[in-house]
Formats: sequence, structure tokens, C-alpha cells
Amino acid sequence: SAVISQKPSRDICQRGTSLTIQCQVDSQVTMMFWYRQQPGQSLTLIATANQGSEATYESGFVIDKFPISRPNLTFSTLTVSNMSPEDSSIYLCSVVTGGYPDTQYFGPGTRLTVL
Amino acid sequence: DQQVKQNSPSLSVQEGRISILNCDYTNSMFDYFLWYKKYPAEGPTFLISISSIKDKNEDGRFTVFLNKSAKHLSLHIVPSQPGDSAVYFCAATGSRGNNRLAFGKGNQVVVIP
Repeated sequence: SAVISQKPSRDICQRGTSLTIQCQVDSQVTMMFWYRQQPGQSLTLIATANQGSEATYESGFVIDKFPISRPNLTFSTLTVSNMSPEDSSIYLCSVVTGGYPDTQYFGPGTRLTVL
Repeated sequence: DQQVKQNSPSLSVQEGRISILNCDYTNSMFDYFLWYKKYPAEGPTFLISISSIKDKNEDGRFTVFLNKSAKHLSLHIVPSQPGDSAVYFCAATGSRGNNRLAFGKGNQVVVIP
């Protein structure tokens, strides 16, 4: 398994501002993902963070709203842009260390509240 | 469109008894299934997985059963312990999905001492 850390662990932000969430893994991984869990809901995949290239977004999510970077095999960032209260969620990064199929491991999450 | 469904959102069980969680899926391309446990304020923790080439996988107190024809899987926890109280998520992926997971809505399990 991989040890995954996220920063910040939680934040309270004002409407219209942006927040960048960092995900750091203790070893090189093949794939990194970003998920969102809205209050009382399941986890929804936002995008696959591709190393050295643009992220691959799921239906309903766009780069302008959720820009993602992955400069190397152990680090990724997700920015939540121009936030509204509807963006209040837990944001989670996850990693896969092997090929397919493989177990996906999750970070502790970032709890975001937008006022 | 919910591709992975978990009904009966909550379950209460006595300590020492069996907990059974059910999960149904609609996408016939799914071929790898995982169960996660989640405590409040933490990320999901991997419990057990099963590939579509199997119909059962066991790891300690946890057993997952897969019925491909019914597109149904279940997680059995025996014996249940108070520390098992958490939300359990069923997740699925297919080779074309390249490890991208679709999650169910989760089941809240409460184990009563």
C-alpha cells in the first residue's frame, strides 16, 4: 500500500475564492485520482491526474473549475476555483500502485466548507 | 445514473453476529469490485476485493461473494465487532475504466456491544 497525505485537512473559504489541495504519496504510483464526496452522498470521480499532461475529467467536471496538476509520480494538486457553497465537500485523492486491476488507496481527505 | 447501488442505507447488528451488506451493479463491463470502510473525518480504507473470475474471496472476518449473472455482490463480516461500526462503500471498475471507480452510496453499520 501507499501512504498518502493531503493538505490542508480542512478549510473554510469565502464564496468566489479558490483553494488548492495538495496530495503527496510516499512512493511512485502509476495513477492518481481526485474524488469528491458531497454531504450525505457517495464518492464521485472528478478526474484522473496524468503525469506531465492534462488531467482527464469525468462528465460534469471541467478544467476551468477544477484545474489539476501532476508534475511527478508522487504529487498532485487540485484547485477548486471560484467557489460556491455547492462546492462544500470532502475532496479525496487516491492512487494505484500497479496495473489493472489494482487496489486503490485513498488519502485522508480535505473537508472544504464554502460560506 | 447510479451504476453501483447499495440499498438499506443503515444496518444495526449485535456484536458477535454476522453483518451482511449487499451491492448491485448495472454495468456489465465491471470486472473488479472492492469494498471500503470509512470512518468520519477519514478517507476510505480498503477492505477486500474480488475479481470477476472468482465468486468468493475471504480475508479473515471479511468475505465477499460475487454473483455475476445477477450482477450482485455481498460483504459478510463475521463476527461483527464494535470497531466495525462505520460506513461501507461498494465500488466497481472495468478494464476499460482503467481503475476509475464507481461507488455506491454506502451502508452505515452500527455494531451494538
